[in-house]
Amino acid sequence: EPEVTQTPSHQVTQMGQEVILRCVPISNHLYFYWYRQILGQKVEFLVSFYNNEISEKSEIFDDQFSVERPDGSNFTLKIRSTKLEDSAMYFCASRTGTSDYNEQFFGPGTRLTVL
Amino acid sequence: GNSVTQMEGPVTLSEEAFLTINCTYTATGYPSLFWYVQYPGEGLQLLLKATKADDKGSNKGFEATYRKETTSFHLEKGSVQVSDSAVYFCALKGNAGGTSYGKLTFGQGTILTVHP
Repeated sequence: EPEVTQTPSHQVTQMGQEVILRCVPISNHLYFYWYRQILGQKVEFLVSFYNNEISEKSEIFDDQFSVERPDGSNFTLKIRSTKLEDSAMYFCASRTGTSDYNEQFFGPGTRLTVL
Repeated sequence: GNSVTQMEGPVTLSEEAFLTINCTYTATGYPSLFWYVQYPGEGLQLLLKATKADDKGSNKGFEATYRKETTSFHLEKGSVQVSDSAVYFCALKGNAGGTSYGKLTFGQGTILTVHP
């Protein structure tokens, strides 16, 4: 069964460093998402991506964040200069485009720890 | 804006006990409502959904009914199993008109542990 994959499963970085979180969505999906969950808090929407551009983003998704689909299979989230408060679990998701009600399929997440 | 509130966890039950996890929401228009489950080491999986008032979503013995009058979507199961141990997330997708790209708004998740 097709699945969304994410790498790495755990990333540890120093404050101020750049990190890139990687996701491989399901191959025929058209909409892509990043969410995050700070420990003990809600899963929060960060950004949606469709047709090679950002379609919607939250207030969290400031200039330190960027997304890219560099090669038609990977979908990446870059944080340019990490802060302590960026420590969280980051989930990638994707869905097909035939209906707005289509299920979003989630990856297992990347746990980011900023020291 | 939209928001989802779930009951505080963790929830610990014995096998075959009845489960309720409460979920209430705030949203404009007519949102779609979802329950996602996350098993250890895995991603969030859609458990069930309901797209309009009074709809009942069901899957794997779990049920939830979309109650617009109480803005609730409580998850229930009559007899839980050890294999149901997981984190359960209530979520909504806004449907207030205009362009929607499917953004989900989640509750904080409820950890369920079922003992033999």
